[in-house]
Amino acid sequence: DIQMTQSPSSLSASVGDRVTITCRASQSISSYLNWYQQKPGKAPKLLIYAASSLQSGVPSRFSGSGSGTDFTLTISSLQPEDFATYYCQQSYSTPRSFGQGTKLEIK
Amino acid sequence: EVQLVESGGGLVQPGGSLKLSCAASGFTFSGSAMHWVRQASGKGLEWVGRIRSKANSYATAYAASVKGRFTISRDDSKNTAYLQMNSLKTEDTAVYYCTRPYFYSGSYPFDYWGQGTLVTVSS
Repeated sequence: DIQMTQSPSSLSASVGDRVTITCRASQSISSYLNWYQQKPGKAPKLLIYAASSLQSGVPSRFSGSGSGTDFTLTISSLQPEDFATYYCQQSYSTPRSFGQGTKLEIK
Repeated sequence: EVQLVESGGGLVQPGGSLKLSCAASGFTFSGSAMHWVRQASGKGLEWVGRIRSKANSYATAYAASVKGRFTISRDDSKNTAYLQMNSLKTEDTAVYYCTRPYFYSGSYPFDYWGQGTLVTVSS
C-alpha cells in the first residue's frame, strides 16, 4: 500500500503570503496526485488533479507541481477564504490513500 | 448538475449493523465507479472502499480496517450505491462520504462528494 506524508501538519500564515505544502509518496505514483481543500463541516473540494492541473472554477493562485514521489501545492497569495485544511491523495493504485492533512491557520 | 446525497447514518451499538445509501444524479451513474471515504471527528480522510461499474464486473476493494465487515454494492436502476457496515466498532464512528472518481488527464480524482452522513458507534 502507498503511504502519503504531508508537511507541515499545520501552518500559520497571513493574508497575501505565499504558502507551499509538501506531499511525499512512499513509492513512485507518476503524476497521479490530487489536492483537496476542506473547510469545517464541509466535504472536501478538488483543487488540483494529475499533480498540476487546476480543477475548473478554482482560482489561479493555486498551483501544483511534482512527479514520482515528491509533490507541492502552492498558494501564491493567501486570501481569507483559503484558511482551511489541505489533503493530498494518490490515485495511482488501490487502496487509495490520503495524506494526514495540513491545517492552514491565520497568523 | 452532479449531486450525491448520503443517508442512513445514525447511532448504533458496538457489534451492530447499519446500511448507508448514496443517491446520485446528474451523470451516468451506471458507468461510474463509486467510492466511500470517512472522517472521524477532528481527524483526516480515510478511504473505505469502492465499487466499479458493470463493465468492470462490479469489482470491489476495501481498506484493511474494514475488510470482511463492510460491503459496498450498487443498484444502477436506482442510481444508488450502498455501504453495508456489520460488526461495527467504536473506531468506525465518523462522517461517511460517497464520492465519484472522474477521468481527468489519466488520473481519477474525486471531483464530486456528498454532504456526508454521521455514523456513531456507542453503547
